[in-house]
Amino acid sequence: NAGVTQTPKFQVLKTGQSMTLQCAQDMNHNSMYWYRQDPGMGLRLIYYSASEGTTDKGEVPNGYNVSRLNKREFSLRLESAAPSQTSVYFCASKVAGGPYEQYFGPGTRLTVT
Amino acid sequence: KQEVTQIPAALSVPEGENLVLNCSFTDSAIYNLQWFRQDPGKGLTSLLLIQSSQREQTSGRLNASLDKSSGRSTLYIAASQPGDSATYLCAVFYNTDKLIFGTGTRLQVFP
Repeated sequence: NAGVTQTPKFQVLKTGQSMTLQCAQDMNHNSMYWYRQDPGMGLRLIYYSASEGTTDKGEVPNGYNVSRLNKREFSLRLESAAPSQTSVYFCASKVAGGPYEQYFGPGTRLTVT
Repeated sequence: KQEVTQIPAALSVPEGENLVLNCSFTDSAIYNLQWFRQDPGKGLTSLLLIQSSQREQTSGRLNASLDKSSGRSTLYIAASQPGDSATYLCAVFYNTDKLIFGTGTRLQVFP
């Protein structure tokens, strides 16, 4: 099992450009999440999908959109990148409901100039 | 506001020491608590999950305790090794999906 995979690993964008971060999991998990990690701020939830076909906002959703493409894949889109979106982005997944652990991908390091 | 605090922010110890990492949370109505390890430039690795009804969980040299009434969790690492050097993150579930993270304790274990 690959677990949670993310592409790309690194990306540099200019202000105003758009891009999509991809996430896939092979653990048959229903729930998937996108976080961003910034120095001194900890990880913060951007969006999550409790099950296929549903998405909900987290703590910091502004400037982002998500798509739950199918049970395996959950993408995060930046429509018009801003320097404030420079961060490391992590995708995670877990079994829906219940006292279950979240499993994380390796992250995407994004720089917006 | 639901906040999670980890103290100390950084810790440096010699190999072989037993050590305790602290996590405190402002809202005691938690669902679960999860401890993670993060190596530099890497993702998060789950270490232990404690359900709200449990007092502690153990995995190898790691033991995590939970005291909901005082809003605290501790991660005990026995006989520390240089390979334990990493950042340790505490995260609190307030429902099945909402996870609030602390900012972590950066641990260095030197030979």
